[in-house]
Amino acid sequence: DGGITQSPKYLFRKEGQNVTLSCEQNLNHDAMYWYRQDPGQGLRLIYYSQIVNDFQKGDIAEGYSVSREKKESFPLTVTSAQKNPTAFYLCASSWTGVGYTFGSGTRLTVV
Amino acid sequence: QKEVEQNSGPLSVPEGAIASLNCTYSDRGSQSFFWYRQYSGKSPELIMFIYSNGDKEDGRFTAQLNKASQYVSLLIRDSQPSDSATYLCAVGGVRDDKIIFGKGTRLHILP
Repeated sequence: DGGITQSPKYLFRKEGQNVTLSCEQNLNHDAMYWYRQDPGQGLRLIYYSQIVNDFQKGDIAEGYSVSREKKESFPLTVTSAQKNPTAFYLCASSWTGVGYTFGSGTRLTVV
Repeated sequence: QKEVEQNSGPLSVPEGAIASLNCTYSDRGSQSFFWYRQYSGKSPELIMFIYSNGDKEDGRFTAQLNKASQYVSLLIRDSQPSDSATYLCAVGGVRDDKIIFGKGTRLHILP
């Protein structure tokens, strides 16, 4: 079955540590996105990529980094520069104009 | 700054009644409109999309679009307790793959 797989489902980060969230899709979608959702809040765009080897910053890119070396994969690294990383992270992919398909999400907690 | 506005709710509707969810958007050039359902702790799921003025029906769901008023709505007929969720309105352009999400309306169906 086609879809988007995010891993891990739960992730715990210590202060000063970098962590990487995985996002893989087998939908053959060109575009991929990373969003952050805080409790009671909407989705905020972190980074997006419309083609392999190219990506753009979203509204809240500071403290995050991404790569897009393969069409299927769009990993997100939460760096130590992100001071408040506890949130629900959602990866999505799409064809142009037909809406996004979301992965099941990664819940990141700072310990 | 492009914006999508929704009433945060909660909107309480008796079981079997019609639930009406509303959304306004600021970018008059918007061309694609989406409704997502998000259960607590889960990722958003696309339930309806509409591109043209008027109504679009799919089962118990009807999406309504009025581009002149920059207004989108979602009607849920014969509401069921399983419809209790947060509903996200999302708006996109033609060539721009980035979709802007509202913060969502919490819907509670009363048994």
